[in-house]
Amino acid sequence: NAGVTQTPKFQVLKTGQSMTLQCAQDMNHEYMSWYRQDPGMGLRLIHYSVGAGITDQGEVPNGYNVSRSTTEDFPLRLLSAAPSQTSVYFCASRPDSGFYEQYFGPGTRLTVT
Amino acid sequence: AQSVTQLDSQVPVFEEAPVELRCNYSSSVSVYLFWYVQYPNQGLQLLLKYLSGSTLVKGINGFEAEFNKSQTSFHLRKPSVHISDTAEYFCAVSDRGQGGKLIFGQGTELSVKP
Repeated sequence: NAGVTQTPKFQVLKTGQSMTLQCAQDMNHEYMSWYRQDPGMGLRLIHYSVGAGITDQGEVPNGYNVSRSTTEDFPLRLLSAAPSQTSVYFCASRPDSGFYEQYFGPGTRLTVT
Repeated sequence: AQSVTQLDSQVPVFEEAPVELRCNYSSSVSVYLFWYVQYPNQGLQLLLKYLSGSTLVKGINGFEAEFNKSQTSFHLRKPSVHISDTAEYFCAVSDRGQGGKLIFGQGTELSVKP
């Protein structure tokens, strides 16, 4: 199993540009989520999904969109990038039932200038 | 809603000394508790988890944590640290519902010096 994969690893955007961060998992996990990590703030939940076709907002959803058309993929879209979205983004997945241990991807480091 | 507070943002310690990283949580429902570790420029790796049963939980790399329901704490300990334990450590809580979201603390940077 590859686990949770994220692309790209690094990205630089200009203010106002849009882009999609990709996340995929091959563990057949129902639950997937996106976090952003900023110094001194830990990881904050952006959006999450409990299965294909179902998404919901986390703590900091503004400026981000998600969709879940398949179990495997959970892309995160930045519609109009802002410098405040400079961060490291992590995708995670876990089984829908059981022990709620989340498996994290390697992260995407995004800089918005 | 749950919240997590890690009481120390940075913990410097000498090699082979004991260490305790403190974590308090607040929740109105029963929770699961986790400690994750993040080595420099890497993703997060699970150290240990408390689900139910014994309040003393043992994890990887010699770490353990104790769940204290009355004090709503889940402190992480290691009796003797190594240079390789230098990393950022995150405490996290999830409610026991089906859609339980994982909420993280702010992180504690452990720096082990020779």
